[in-house]
Amino acid sequence: NAGVTQTPKFQVLKTGQSMTLQCAQDMNHEYMSWYRQDPGMGLRLIHYSVGAGITDQGEVPNGYNVSRSTTEDFPLRLLSAAPSQTSVYFCASSYPTSGRYNEQFFGPGTRLTVL
Amino acid sequence: LAKTTQPISMDSYEGQEVNITCSHNNIATNDYITWYQQFPSQGPRFIIQGYKTKVTNEVASLFIPADRKSSTLSLPRVSLSDTAVYYCLVGDGGSQGNLIFGKGTKLSVKP
Repeated sequence: NAGVTQTPKFQVLKTGQSMTLQCAQDMNHEYMSWYRQDPGMGLRLIHYSVGAGITDQGEVPNGYNVSRSTTEDFPLRLLSAAPSQTSVYFCASSYPTSGRYNEQFFGPGTRLTVL
Repeated sequence: LAKTTQPISMDSYEGQEVNITCSHNNIATNDYITWYQQFPSQGPRFIIQGYKTKVTNEVASLFIPADRKSSTLSLPRVSLSDTAVYYCLVGDGGSQGNLIFGKGTKLSVKP
């Protein structure tokens, strides 16, 4: 298994440009999430999905869109990039078990710079 | 979702035991306590999870008192490679898609 993969690893955008960060997992996990991490900070949840066709907002959803058409993929779209969106983006997935929380598996991250 | 509080940073020396305590006063009955480790430029990695009393694996131990309002991650005989940020999270199976990471505890291990 490849686990959780993210592309691209690095990206530079100009203010106002749009782009999609890709995330895929091959573990048949139902739960997938997107986080952003700013320098010296913890991770903040952007959006998450509990299954194909179902998404919801996290702590900091403004400026981002997501969709979940398949179990495997959970792309994150930046609609109109702003310098405040310069960050490292992590995608994570997990398999739900009734009652017990299961560990999340994280991807390697995408380092995004918006000029 | 229960909020957690943990020290911003800790220093230790190689070979010592390190204990990082996390407070979660509003933990719910269904919540589990989970710890993650993050190295620079990498995504977080699951370390250990527990509900009550003590849990031990090959990496760490997790101590949870009876009232479950706090927990302590214990790392035995740390090495330089244990230098990382450690996050304490609280949540249940229904909230795992919506977990809140705090700023974590930055552990620095010195030779």
